[in-house]
Amino acid sequence: EDQVTQSPEALRLQEGESSSLNCSYTVSGLRGLFWYRQDPGKGPEFLFTLYSAGEEKEKERLKATLTKKESFLHITAPKPEDSATYLCAVQAENRNYGQNFVFGPGTRLSVLP
Amino acid sequence: DSGVTQTPKHLITATGQRVTLRCSPRSGDLSVYWYQQSLDQGLQFLIQYYNGEERAKGNILERFSAQQFPDLHSELNLSSLELGDSALYFCASSLSGSYNEQFFGPGTRLTVL
Repeated sequence: EDQVTQSPEALRLQEGESSSLNCSYTVSGLRGLFWYRQDPGKGPEFLFTLYSAGEEKEKERLKATLTKKESFLHITAPKPEDSATYLCAVQAENRNYGQNFVFGPGTRLSVLP
Repeated sequence: DSGVTQTPKHLITATGQRVTLRCSPRSGDLSVYWYQQSLDQGLQFLIQYYNGEERAKGNILERFSAQQFPDLHSELNLSSLELGDSALYFCASSLSGSYNEQFFGPGTRLTVL
């Protein structure tokens, strides 16, 4: 069964305090791993796609990396506006239904000024 | 603004009733995805359509059905509603059927009383 877990569940940082969020996955055939940001009551906002182990993507203060079993979202010198829930998702092969999309439970990030 | 629109924003109905949620994808996108997000289950993939055809199926109940029309908009039909169906329903779209990031709409909040 395809599974995605994320840690920590919640994270509080001071402005400027760098940290990393973890996403661990177990899938039958990985087609892609995605990171999204979600603000309360809104739809997820796409951040990154990673396709193969060793791949890295960067955008402003965020950097995503991928290994065979997990992905990390590194946040460098965060600002209060980075406060949100960060979701990790995998696109996996599915023998019966073509493909499957599995989201992790998210990490709730709070950045204090 | 992702370019994906969903109507209505809010929907309140009673148990046993049937409702229809509507989604218009971003201009040029051929794939539409439906997700359910509840507090205890997180974001759950329901179904995907690509250019009018069903492409992938997730945890969609038999009481739920969807379709994608020739103009590429999609509708999610929920019938025999139960209290547990109360959730945020998101639609997302992507350029193709595979290997593409998804762009999410603002969601429809369904409350079943």
